[in-house]
Order: sequence, then structure tokens, then C-alpha cells
Amino acid sequence: GQSLEQPSEVTAVEGAIVQINCTYQTSGFYGLSWYQQHDGGAPTFLSYNALDGLEETGRFSSFLSRSDSYGYLLLQELQMKDSASYFCAAWDQGGKLIFGQGTELSVKP
Amino acid sequence: DTEVTQTPKHLVMGMTNKKSLKCEQHMGHRAMYWYKQKAKKPPELMFVYSYEKLSINESVPSRFSPECPNSSLLNLHLHALQPEDSALYLCASSQGPSRSGNQPQHFGDGTRLSIL
Repeated sequence: GQSLEQPSEVTAVEGAIVQINCTYQTSGFYGLSWYQQHDGGAPTFLSYNALDGLEETGRFSSFLSRSDSYGYLLLQELQMKDSASYFCAAWDQGGKLIFGQGTELSVKP
Repeated sequence: DTEVTQTPKHLVMGMTNKKSLKCEQHMGHRAMYWYKQKAKKPPELMFVYSYEKLSINESVPSRFSPECPNSSLLNLHLHALQPEDSALYLCASSQGPSRSGNQPQHFGDGTRLSIL
């Protein structure tokens, strides 16, 4: 089976750095993706890691360690608009994208 | 605004009604998806269409009936729904059905469905 574990909520202040962790158990591995979803909005693709290491896209970075079955999303210079739910996701062998339960990030002034 | 358009944005229906949700994309994507999302939960896959053929049906009750009339359109026909079917229904598309994050899924804003 496939499961992804991430914290249910994280709180941080504007301008800070926050890390959202994701550990996974998969029967096959095809990379780890991250999606952002604002309240009432559509999930939006943020990043993807197929190989070990860090991928940087502006203020957001994502890291993967396949040997540890672990990844994280790093958000820098936090802004109020970053308050949202963040999902890690991985494909299973049947071709389905499986999402973690989501981490609700609250950014305080 | 997203590149995947879903209509209607909100739908209230009784348990005996028949209605349809519509989804449209013009990105040339060949894989399209229906998800159901309850509040504070992740999206749950319902159906996958690959090159206009149904490739995955996640044991969804027959009161939900998907249809892919062409490569740009995806419908979800609803009939005799139950109150527990109230949820946000999301449509998504990707370039192909590959298990790869470099073909991310693009989601619509969803249809918020309430069953009375």
C-alpha cells in the first residue's frame, strides 16, 4: 500500500522560515510532489523531486531522501498569503496520485 | 483563475435529482481526473481517463457516472445521491497518464456539491 505522513498543522510568523515534513511508505516510488491549496481554492502544483537532493523554486524549496523515505517542503520569507494547506503526494504502482493528509500552515503577523 | 474550468461552482440538489458536473481544459492534456474532497481532507481519486478511455475507477458507487466526450471535456453525471456525497468535486488534467511529477496535475476550482 501507499501512505504519506505529514504534520496536521504548523504556525509561523511573517518573514520566518518553515519546514513541512513528509514521510512515505510506498510499494514503488516515482517521486514526491507538493501541492498548495488555499481555502476554497484549487490544489496548485508546487514542486517535484524524483532524485535525492534539494530543488529550489523562488521562496520554496523541496528536499528528498529516498534512503530515508523522507522529504520536506521549505518555505522562506513567509508571507500572509502562504497561509494554506500543503499536501505531499506520490504515485502508486497503479497510476494513482496519493496525497498525504495535508498540513495547514498559519502565518501570523 | 485556473486553466481547468469547472461548472457549476456550486450545486444544491435533492436526493432524487439528476445533474451533471462539467470540466473543460484546452491545454492538450490527455489524462483527466475526478476527485472528491471533504473539508480538511486530501483529494480522493474517483476516476481517471487516459486518451479518452476510462483507465481507473476507484470502486465509486454507480450513482456517479463519468463521461469523456472528447479530449477537452469531462463530465460527471449524478443521480440519486446521498447526503454523505456532499463535498467539493475537483477535476484535474495532466499532459499524460505518466507516473511522473514532471507531468503535474492541474486542478480546477471545483464544484461544491450539497445534497439535501
